[in-house]
Amino acid sequence: DGGITQSPKYLFRKEGQNVTLSCEQNLNHDAMYWYRQDPGQGLRLIYYSQIVNDFQKGDIAEGYSVSREKKESFPLTVTSAQKNPTAFYLCASSIGSGRGTDTQYFGPGTRLTVL
Amino acid sequence: SQQGEEDPQALSIQEGENATMNCSYKTSINNLQWYRQNSGRGLVHLILIRSNEREKHSGRLRVTLDTSKKSSSLLITASRAADTASYFCATDAGDHSGYSTLTFGKGTMLLVSP
Repeated sequence: DGGITQSPKYLFRKEGQNVTLSCEQNLNHDAMYWYRQDPGQGLRLIYYSQIVNDFQKGDIAEGYSVSREKKESFPLTVTSAQKNPTAFYLCASSIGSGRGTDTQYFGPGTRLTVL
Repeated sequence: SQQGEEDPQALSIQEGENATMNCSYKTSINNLQWYRQNSGRGLVHLILIRSNEREKHSGRLRVTLDTSKKSSSLLITASRAADTASYFCATDAGDHSGYSTLTFGKGTMLLVSP
């Protein structure tokens, strides 16, 4: 079964704590992405990675960090510096062809609530 | 950063009717894509139209792109209750290295009543 998995589905965190969201894919895709979605809003890009050991900031990277040590995995850490972390977090991947025709495959999302 | 803006924000129709959603964007793009999201779930890719294409079909979906007006439309024909979802347009302008990055609009919420 090919696809993207995210865990956990629901996550609760106390203010001031860092938390790491998992994203794994077995599609053999080079590119991976993290988005944040707030109620009634579209997706905003946090970080993306086109290749192992390299990643780029998206539009709202402040308060977040990522790593890309393996092709299959792209974990996102929400740090205590993120002022309003409660949101729905979506991970996605794409072939990463660089030809400008990539489509993205999304995981089921993690809903993070800060208490 | 550029962003697609969908119109209308919400659309309510009866089964069997057609649903049309529009998207406007601000700068040049490589392609425009439409995605669907069921409540509380991940997004599913529906269709991609390249900047040099004007119209594309996939099953009951028809997408048009007018690069001179920087706008696109998604038509769902003969809608079904199962089409109830949020629909997002996403523009791909490529990053500084030419790789794909998508910028999403806020979406149109479609409700199809039986």
